[in-house]
Amino acid sequence: AQSVTQPDIHITVSEGASLELRCNYSYGATPYLFWYVQSPGQGLQLLLKYFSGDTLVQGIKGFEAEFKRSQSSFNLRKPSVHWSDAAEYFCAVGAHENNNNDMRFGAGTRLTVKP
Amino acid sequence: EADIYQTPRYLVIGTGKKITLECSQTMGHDKMYWYQQDPGMELHLIHYSYGVNSTEKGDLSSESTVSRIRTEHFPLTLESARPSHTSQYLCASTVLGGGEQFFGPGTRLTVL
Repeated sequence: AQSVTQPDIHITVSEGASLELRCNYSYGATPYLFWYVQSPGQGLQLLLKYFSGDTLVQGIKGFEAEFKRSQSSFNLRKPSVHWSDAAEYFCAVGAHENNNNDMRFGAGTRLTVKP
Repeated sequence: EADIYQTPRYLVIGTGKKITLECSQTMGHDKMYWYQQDPGMELHLIHYSYGVNSTEKGDLSSESTVSRIRTEHFPLTLESARPSHTSQYLCASTVLGGGEQFFGPGTRLTVL
């Protein structure tokens, strides 16, 4: 079974600074990888996903993530953070054999943006 | 924009009450899920369905039940709510083999 670790529970960055959120996964085959964002009182919104191909994927809101198989990582990055990026971020890993959509989520990283 | 809806958004009830959390999607997705989410914790899968008349229990033991009589509708029922059921409940859906899941806005349940 797959699993996900997000080592940082809470990160604070200044507005305009760069951001990197870490995600490590465990899965026996090539995984499907996802980053979701959750604003207070809302559901999860997909930021980006990796299924195959180019290991650097672009998402919405200026986010990108890089799949590194050798490190079992899928870190999320943004070059310049905006105050509206303050939210909870979840990394998820999915299986893709046998039409299995099941996903495992990390515990999330809460992002605070200082003015 | 995904079209998946949950009602109510917030619910405060007393112990012992029966409640049903509603989830509907208009995307024609076959697979639907219910997750329980607590602060600082990963999402825990409590139920899922492959399609009409299919329901399965997830990883997290839950005293709730679900039904799937129509493709678009996947309600979750608690026969007798307890304070330990206080949590946020998220509904999601996807096409079979589609990979990403689309989430509703959630229902925040408080049981007094």
